[in-house]
Amino acid sequence: QVQLVESGGGVVQPGRSLRLSCVASGFTFSSYGMHWVRQAPGKGLEWLAVISYDGNNEYSADSVKGRFTISRDNSKNTVYMQMNSLRAEDTAVYYCTKGYGVFDYWGQGTLVTVSS
Amino acid sequence: EIVLTQSPGTLSLSPGERATLSCRASQSISSSYLAWYQQKPGQAPRLLIHDASSRATGIPARFSGGGSGTDFTLTITRLEPEDFAVYYCQHYDSSSPMYTFGQGTKLEIK
Repeated sequence: QVQLVESGGGVVQPGRSLRLSCVASGFTFSSYGMHWVRQAPGKGLEWLAVISYDGNNEYSADSVKGRFTISRDNSKNTVYMQMNSLRAEDTAVYYCTKGYGVFDYWGQGTLVTVSS
Repeated sequence: EIVLTQSPGTLSLSPGERATLSCRASQSISSSYLAWYQQKPGQAPRLLIHDASSRATGIPARFSGGGSGTDFTLTITRLEPEDFAVYYCQHYDSSSPMYTFGQGTKLEIK
C-alpha cells in the first residue's frame, strides 16, 4: 500500500533553516509528481509546492517562493522541502502528498514550530 | 488567481440527516480539477471526490459530488457518526500551475 512518511520537523528559531524529508513506498515513485501542503494550527490547508516526476520542473506558491525549495531523489524514493529564512507564520504541520490535479495520498505530517 | 469560497463555515446536523456543502469559485473552472477532502482531528486529509463527481477508491456511496462552472456541492445523503469532520474543496489550475483550497466547512453534530 502507498505510504508517505515525513520527517525533519521540530522547533527552529526565526531566520533559521530546516529541511523536511518524505520517504515514499508502495508505488513507482519516479512516475509521480509530489507536493508539499501545510496547515497552520487551527487553520485550513495551503498548497506550497510541486515537483515533477523527474525533478525537472517545480512550482511553488507565492507565499514561499524564494524561501522554500522542493527537490527529490528518485534513487531514494524521497522528496524534500528546504525551508530557509523561517518566520513565525511558517509554524504548521507539513504534509507530503502525491498526485496530479488532486492529492490522492497523504503522509501523516510533520510539525514545524518557528519560535525563539 | 482563483479563489474558492466554501459555505457554510459550520454545519450542525444530526446522524441520519442529509448534508449539502457548497464550494463557489471566483471564476468558471473545469470540473476535471475540482476535488473534495475530509479531515478529522489529528489526521491528514483524505480524498473523497475528484473530477467534481467521481468518488475516490473506497469512499462510501453516501458521498456524492456535483456542480459545474462556479458552483460545486458535496452531498452526504445519510450522515454517519464518522462523517463529522472538516471538508475542503480544492482546485487545480493547469495554466499556472497552482493548487487552491477552500477555507473549509466544519460538519458538527447537532
